[in-house]
Amino acid sequence: DADVTQTPRNRITKTGKRIMLECSQTKGHDRMYWYRQDPGLGLRLIYYSFDVKDINKGEISDGYSVSRQAQAKFSLSLESAIPNQTALYFCATSDPRGYSGEQYFGPGTRLTVT
Amino acid sequence: KQEVTQIPAALSVPEGENLVLNCSFTDSAIYNLQWFRQDPGKGLTSLLLIQSSQREQTSGRLNASLDKSSGRSTLYIAASQPGDSATYLCAVGDQAGTALIFGKGTTLSVSS
Repeated sequence: DADVTQTPRNRITKTGKRIMLECSQTKGHDRMYWYRQDPGLGLRLIYYSFDVKDINKGEISDGYSVSRQAQAKFSLSLESAIPNQTALYFCATSDPRGYSGEQYFGPGTRLTVT
Repeated sequence: KQEVTQIPAALSVPEGENLVLNCSFTDSAIYNLQWFRQDPGKGLTSLLLIQSSQREQTSGRLNASLDKSSGRSTLYIAASQPGDSATYLCAVGDQAGTALIFGKGTTLSVSS
């Protein structure tokens, strides 16, 4: 089984709808991240969480919110989806105790907002 | 603000060639550097991780080097194969572990 899973894998939604993307991990890592990838722009950080009570905005947090329900779960919400939020979304984890700082990525969620 | 640049943006080579992908970054105060592979529409596969105190890492036909002082990393792929065709992403980690800053990638095509 994959260590970092994302649901759904693909989603099409309409402008103005609320949508939640979910991420779960079995790696036991404290740190979790949400990135989005747009063609020609690379990956950019939306939010990150160092533990359940520590959530921080990233480079492009406007229009998004997150919830860290447990060490293993980190959800990303679009309160009112708009077409320019169409992108590939990735969740990632890392373990600060390992000192390497290596990040492990989920398979991604392809979101289309029409 | 850290910026990561990858050159070239695209590269086409015949099977069997050795090749080098380049990554440069503007702020040398990095914690680590990761190279990833991404197949079209797919997730990221971590290839190599280099800590800031290391000079290189090797895995099979892949060798990544890091020169922090000059803000450069290279990914060397030996004896390329069609299965190596993918986009290769370079990402630097900051000291606080808050995020990876990604380059836009190099899309590699290896023809048989």
